[in-house]
Amino acid sequence: NAGVTQTPKFRILKIGQSMTLQCAQDMNHNYMYWYRQDPGMGLKLIYYSVGAGITDKGEVPNGYNVSRSTTEDFPLRLELAAPSQTSVYFCASSPHPGQSYEQYFGPGTRLTVT
Amino acid sequence: QKEVEQDPGPLSVPEGAIVSLNCTYSNSAFQYFMWYRQYSRKGPELLMYTYSSGNKEDGRFTAQVDKSSKYISLFIRDSQPSDSATYLCAMSVISSGSARQLTFGSGTQLTVLP
Repeated sequence: NAGVTQTPKFRILKIGQSMTLQCAQDMNHNYMYWYRQDPGMGLKLIYYSVGAGITDKGEVPNGYNVSRSTTEDFPLRLELAAPSQTSVYFCASSPHPGQSYEQYFGPGTRLTVT
Repeated sequence: QKEVEQDPGPLSVPEGAIVSLNCTYSNSAFQYFMWYRQYSRKGPELLMYTYSSGNKEDGRFTAQVDKSSKYISLFIRDSQPSDSATYLCAMSVISSGSARQLTFGSGTQLTVLP
């Protein structure tokens, strides 16, 4: 199993550009999450999904959009990138509710907006 | 006031030392308590979890939860250079929803010197 994979690893965007961060998992997990990690700030939940076709906002959803058309994929869309979105983005997944305290993280995407 | 407070360090110890990492929290509804380890430029990985109060031991690692004081700790015995990483505490409530949202501390950066 590859686990949780994320692409790209690094990206530099200009202000106002858009991009999609890709996330895929091959563990057949229903639950998937997007976090951002800023220096000294811990992980903040952006969006999460409990299954294909079902998504919900987390703590910091503004400026982002998600979709979940399959169990495996959970892309994160940035529209009109702003310098405040410079961060490291992590995708995670977890199995059924009884074990969802354990989240499996991808390697992250480092995004710089200039 | 943040829901979860964690001393960011950095913490530097000699090999073989006992390390104590701590978090405090304000939300009395938290029931699940986790410690994640994050190596440099990698995604977090679950190290240990505890449900409600008490201690849990796994090899050189011991997790403690004191709900009356809203304080959790991770102890590392006989620390090794390979333990050098950032340690993130995370907490969760029991909810009727099927996705468990985690609230993370900001992380403590630990370096174990050979």
